[in-house]
Order: sequence, then C-alpha cells, then structure tokens
Amino acid sequence: EIVLTQSPGTLSLSPGERATLSCRSSQSVRNNYLAWYQQKPGQAPRLLIYGASSRATGIPDRFSGSGSGTDFILTISRLEPEDFAVYYCQQYGNSRTFGQGTKVEIK
Amino acid sequence: QLHLQESGPGLVKPSETLSLICSVSGDSITSNNYYWGWIRQPPGKGLEWIGTVYNSGDTFYNPSLKSRLTMSVDTSRNQFSLNLSSVTAADTAIYYCARPLTNHYFDLWGRGTLVTVSS
Repeated sequence: EIVLTQSPGTLSLSPGERATLSCRSSQSVRNNYLAWYQQKPGQAPRLLIYGASSRATGIPDRFSGSGSGTDFILTISRLEPEDFAVYYCQQYGNSRTFGQGTKVEIK
Repeated sequence: QLHLQESGPGLVKPSETLSLICSVSGDSITSNNYYWGWIRQPPGKGLEWIGTVYNSGDTFYNPSLKSRLTMSVDTSRNQFSLNLSSVTAADTAIYYCARPLTNHYFDLWGRGTLVTVSS
C-alpha cells in the first residue's frame, strides 16, 4: 500500500501569506496521479487539484499544485479567510490512499 | 446538476452489518460511464477510501476492508449501496458517497452520514 505523509501537521499563517503544504509518497505515484482536497468543519471534502497540477472546475488560481514522483506540493499564493481549513492529498495511481491531512489555521 | 445523498441507520450494533445507500439525482446513474464510490472519516480523523463500483457491477475494494465489503449498483432506483459486515467500534465514522471521475479522483461528494457502532 502506498503511504502518503503530509507535512506539516498544522500550519499557522495570517491572511495574505503564502502557504506551502507537502505530500510525500512511500513509492513513486504512477503518472503523477495525485489530487488535493480542502475540507472545512462539518463539510465534505472539495476537490482542488488533480493530476498533481490541474485545477478543478471553479477553483481560484491562488491554488496551485506541483511535484512528481514521490514529492508533491500544494501552494496557496495569498491566503483568503475562507482558505483556513484542512487539506488532504490522495493518490490514485495504485489503489487509492489519502494523506493524514494538514490543518491551515489562522495565526 | 448531479447530487448525491447518503441514507441508512445511524447506529449499528457490533458484529452486525452496516448498510448504506447513496441516491443519485440529476442524471441517470448509468450515464457517462461514471464510477461510484464510498469514503469514510472517523470523527476528528482523516479520510479512508472504502471502495468503488461501476455500473456493470465491477468493484474495486480497499484491501484492508475487502473481506467484509460488498458494493452494488441498483440502476432501477438510481442508487448504489455499501454493506460492511462484522462491524466494530473502529468502523464508527462519517460515511461519504462520492463520484470518482474516470475512477480516479473524487469530484463530487454527498454531505456524509455518521454511523456509530455501539451496543
């Protein structure tokens, strides 16, 4: 099973700052089949990024994904108040697994 | 616009079978060759993929749950279902139904339903 490890566990930032979230895989992710989701309290996750770097429909361009192989990054260029949430990565190259999540909280 | 809604008992006894249904509205469950899936989230914890089912009945299960899991599609009712047998407290979670686009990433989610395993 592919294990995804996200870091940091919690990121404390202020609105307007840049957020950089990491997702590291225990094996190379086939075809860079990696997605990112945002989850707010009491809500279902929302797809942000697929294929490591393609934004889902309706996702603002302040969200960007990068990386390949075993190391992937989600960047939020300038945090808006609504961006404070938990973020998960998911690989779909070999079965399906999720990372444990990174919480982005207001500093 | 496609919409997913989970339904089922909120409380299940240990050793019994957890059964949930996801109702699809806004389009036929068989259109566009969509796949359908389930994901769960223990309270305060992360996400776990449970499995995926195709209209033909083909299934793809999480290996850690495979021995207890059955998923199916009911095209006449525009629904798909999840059955998880021999449940324990560790199966307590919010269960989401979702659509894995091209059987890959999940682009559409239901609101989720909390299932508690307790006597």
